[in-house]
Amino acid sequence: AQTVTQSQPEMSVQEAETVTLSCTYDTSESDYYLFWYKQPPSRQMILVIRQEAYKQQNATENRFSVNFQKAAKSFSLKISDSQLGDAAMYFCAYVYTGANSKLTFGKGITLSVRP
Amino acid sequence: DAGITQSPRHKVTETGTPVTLRCHQTENHRYMYWYRQDPGHGLRLIHYSYGVKDTDKGEVSDGYSVSRSKTEDFLLTLESATSSQTSVYFCAMSNRGKGSPLHFGNGTRLTVT
Repeated sequence: AQTVTQSQPEMSVQEAETVTLSCTYDTSESDYYLFWYKQPPSRQMILVIRQEAYKQQNATENRFSVNFQKAAKSFSLKISDSQLGDAAMYFCAYVYTGANSKLTFGKGITLSVRP
Repeated sequence: DAGITQSPRHKVTETGTPVTLRCHQTENHRYMYWYRQDPGHGLRLIHYSYGVKDTDKGEVSDGYSVSRSKTEDFLLTLESATSSQTSVYFCAMSNRGKGSPLHFGNGTRLTVT
């Protein structure tokens, strides 16, 4: 079974600084997708970024970028110029393209932003 | 996400009572999902649907059933609620499989006393 591991339950960053959230996954597949979702205190789940495994280029969305290391099965999220509104729980998720695969989430990491 | 709504937003119920949570979408998306979120577990899939009357089990389906009689509605039923089913429940949808991002409802906080 595929697993997604977020080993750091909590992290903290100073406003305007950069922070990296770690995620590793276990799979024997070569064709899959990876996601980062954000859950602010409002409880709404929001897509942050998406990465296709067959694309070597790291995905970027404004201040959010990923470091996708396929061989190492690592998918970290970098948040640049952190803002108070970035404070949230962040979930890493994985799904492979096979017929019976469903999106699997990590346990999440709580990010706090210090003013 | 404005295209998907869950009801109720909060519910308190007693052990042994049946409970139905509703998910309604206006996007005509084919795929719909029910997840539960618990501290230390992230989100875990309960059931999912890939079309009207087509549903299947997820990893934590025991004690839950679902129905999808129309594209826009996906119901989650707890036949006889237990305290272990106290959780936050999320419904999600996607318009294509696999690589399509999920769009989530705002969640239902269920407390079973």
